[in-house]
Amino acid sequence: DAEITQSPRHKITETGRQVTLACHQTWNHNNMFWYRQDLGHGLRLIHYSYGVQDTNKGEVSDGYSVSRSNTEDLPLTLESAASSQTSVYFCASSDGRTSDEQYFGPGTRLTVT
Amino acid sequence: AQSVSQHNHHVILSEAASLELGCNYSYGGTVNLFWYVQYPGQHLQLLLKYFSGDPLVKGIKGFEAEFIKSKFSFNLRKPSVQWSDTAEYFCAVNVRGGSGGGADGLTFGKGTHLIIQP
Repeated sequence: DAEITQSPRHKITETGRQVTLACHQTWNHNNMFWYRQDLGHGLRLIHYSYGVQDTNKGEVSDGYSVSRSNTEDLPLTLESAASSQTSVYFCASSDGRTSDEQYFGPGTRLTVT
Repeated sequence: AQSVSQHNHHVILSEAASLELGCNYSYGGTVNLFWYVQYPGQHLQLLLKYFSGDPLVKGIKGFEAEFIKSKFSFNLRKPSVQWSDTAEYFCAVNVRGGSGGGADGLTFGKGTHLIIQP
């Protein structure tokens, strides 16, 4: 069955370190998204991509970057982790051609100390 | 840019009670509307969605929602809740047919934490 996976599921890092969170989908979806979930804020869009070599900034993109070198993967990089980036991160994908429904991964809980 | 407002942040009900969670959005154009559920420790699952057509949509687990365009609302309902419905519920919208040939990212409400007491 097609799925969307994230790794690691839990990560603890120190302030100032670079961190990369992986997202891999086997739906063959064109569109991929990264969100962060914080108490009292719901989910907020960080970055998204409509296809290979395409990336776009979302609502809360400062301090994050993404790259799309193939259809299946959209890694999220925190250039220099800050305590304010402690959060749960969700990756999602959608077909975009026949449906706008997004499918979510299991999430990565990131703690920056 | 669009925004989503969920009226109730915390709701506590007894089993068999009826449920209605409010959701309003602000955007002048055509949107897709979603309700997602997040059970404790799990990822988001789609409950139901509205793209077009019949404004009363039925989803999984007995949930339904009604799109009222004049009120910019998409309220979630369930006639009789169960203890297993305890979860966080999110209303979300995106702009239909956004740039790049697909839809833009979802804009979420802040969520409603629903607790069902046995």
